[in-house]
Amino acid sequence: EADIYQTPRYLVIGTGKKITLECSQTMGHDKMYWYQQDPGMELHLIHYSYGVNSTEKGDLSSESTVSRIRTEHFPLTLESARPSHTSQYLCASSGGKTGVDGELFFGEGSRLTVL
Amino acid sequence: GENVEQHPSTLSVQEGDSAVIKCTYSDSASNYFPWYKQELGKRPQLIIDIRSNVGEKKDQRIAVTLNKTAKHFSLHITETQPEDSAVYFCAASKRSGGYQKVTFGIGTKLQVIP
Repeated sequence: EADIYQTPRYLVIGTGKKITLECSQTMGHDKMYWYQQDPGMELHLIHYSYGVNSTEKGDLSSESTVSRIRTEHFPLTLESARPSHTSQYLCASSGGKTGVDGELFFGEGSRLTVL
Repeated sequence: GENVEQHPSTLSVQEGDSAVIKCTYSDSASNYFPWYKQELGKRPQLIIDIRSNVGEKKDQRIAVTLNKTAKHFSLHITETQPEDSAVYFCAASKRSGGYQKVTFGIGTKLQVIP
């Protein structure tokens, strides 16, 4: 079944550790996004990608980095996690054709806690 | 850039009553206005959307209206049920190069009281 998958769903780590949040989609979409969502609720775009080898910063500044080597895969990495990175990270994809806006499909999220 | 304001931030209604959530946007180039529902602990999911060439759209108990001149759009839920309890996000979207730029409102937490 076509979907967007995120792992891990929950992660608790210590300060200074390197972490990678995985996101894969089988939707056949070319565009992928990372949003950060704190409890109480607002969604902030931190990274997006038009396609392979394309990555851009979003509206909210983030110390994380992303890569897009394969169409279906869009991992997010934090080289040295800090408590301020504690949040939920939502991956999304969309498949709108040029000139046509479309629905965002979200993964279930990765809830990160940095101690 | 685009600015989307959403209100109220919380809304409690009795089961069977109607709920209305309102949003305004600032960028006249925005042409697509989706609404997402996020249940507790789950992912946001699209429930209804409207494009700028349409003034109103209905899907069973939910409807969205758009006033382009005033730059505001609203979500209406009639005959509310407990399963409607969730956080609702409005958004305004436009094409920016090859990228669909989506700006979300802050969300409205709807509680339907049985």
